[in-house]
Amino acid sequence: QVQLVQSGAEVKKPGSSVKVSCKTSGDTFSGYGISWVRQAPGQGLEWMGGIVPIFGAAEYGRRIQGRVTITADESTGTAYMELSGLTSEDTAIYYCARAYTYYDHIGGTYHCTGHFDSWGQGTLVTVSS
Amino acid sequence: DVVMTQTPLSLSVTPGQPASISCKSSRSLLQNNGKTYLYWYLQKPGQSPQLLIYEISRLFSGVPDRFSGSGSGTTFTLQISRVEADDVGVYYCMQGVGKDLTFGPGTKVEIK
Repeated sequence: QVQLVQSGAEVKKPGSSVKVSCKTSGDTFSGYGISWVRQAPGQGLEWMGGIVPIFGAAEYGRRIQGRVTITADESTGTAYMELSGLTSEDTAIYYCARAYTYYDHIGGTYHCTGHFDSWGQGTLVTVSS
Repeated sequence: DVVMTQTPLSLSVTPGQPASISCKSSRSLLQNNGKTYLYWYLQKPGQSPQLLIYEISRLFSGVPDRFSGSGSGTTFTLQISRVEADDVGVYYCMQGVGKDLTFGPGTKVEIK
């Protein structure tokens, strides 16, 4: 069974950046994507973006696009999510999840679907001065 | 972005009784390939979310067949035939593929 293990909790100052890692087991990157979802305290789930490592390009949610960068290192099976310009509103638990992919034959591109079959344990990021 | 709404936002159910959650999208979720990328997740207290249903009605591996999904276009339903104590948590519908993935607000299910 695939496992996704995330890096530990972080406390950051407003205006700074945070980078969270997601180490996968097995052959996760082969044919799958990795998506990132966050959850503010007491709130619902928000999809931030995803990447299909064999394809390389990441896609981001419109609300957070411009501040988030998602990358993947195929050699180590690790995905990363970096969020810049932190504010108190970015205080949340950040989850990575393995995503099934969809191949767009017209554009010749791969995309993450919302089929997240395995999740990391979550990483709490607290933004406080 | 596609907006997902859920009703009710909270539900209190007697064990053994059925439960139903409705999810509606602001536009049709039917894709050009004939698939509808509509999912249901359960987040139990203190845990990461877990997949229950994919593509409207397909039961994810290991999920009890007490759970079922139905719907099409813009209207979808998650049904639990007989609620058990282990079913408590927040249920989210979610749609999409690519850069257009959105969750519903969630429905909190409690046991009476």
